[in-house]
Amino acid sequence: DSGVTQTPKHLITATGQRVTLRCSPRSGDLSVYWYQQSLDQGLQFLIQYYNGEERAKGNILERFSAQQFPDLHSELNLSSLELGDSALYFCASSVGIAGDNEQFFGPGTRLTVL
Amino acid sequence: DQQVKQNSPSLSVQEGRISILNCDYTNSMFDYFLWYKKYPAEGPTFLISISSIKDKNEDGRFTVFLNKSAKHLSLHIVPSQPGDSAVYFCAASASYDKVIFGPGTSLSVIP
Repeated sequence: DSGVTQTPKHLITATGQRVTLRCSPRSGDLSVYWYQQSLDQGLQFLIQYYNGEERAKGNILERFSAQQFPDLHSELNLSSLELGDSALYFCASSVGIAGDNEQFFGPGTRLTVL
Repeated sequence: DQQVKQNSPSLSVQEGRISILNCDYTNSMFDYFLWYKKYPAEGPTFLISISSIKDKNEDGRFTVFLNKSAKHLSLHIVPSQPGDSAVYFCAASASYDKVIFGPGTSLSVIP
């Protein structure tokens, strides 16, 4: 158990809909990262927050947005969903912001868009 | 543009033998490299890392080698065990920048 929790575990929805994925980082970790893993793809970095502020952005679509709340939990909002958004979405956390910080991953949320 | 490449999608190795997983990168600014292991239905877990000031780092059965001139790193697992069967991700970062993951290599260790 990494200490990172993600809810829900599975999500099935229809095209055009909006969903929210939730992540609670390990106790004491200030950084939260979101990744997307599509079928046969690696982990695509979406966005990083550090202590409530956006720290780095990857290939995140404009239809996607995220935020980190004062209690450090984070939410990833996906809107106007398309079939291609079906993927595993991982949240990870780390103590600091540097790339040499070990990231602890949650179990992921599997999103299926029908 | 894939900055971290793992050109072997899969690898099969006999139990007890050496597993060698390879990773190439294109960004010369990367100065820290990590390997993560992922089992099905679980999130990735950190395995081992290496800073660009070193060329080797060892942790038990796992050793990572870094060849900066070739922009290449490899993970050696000796001896390989069936429990090592997983997807292995190579990752790299430049100082205080985001971590870039490779596409992963699926390792099967055959008993």
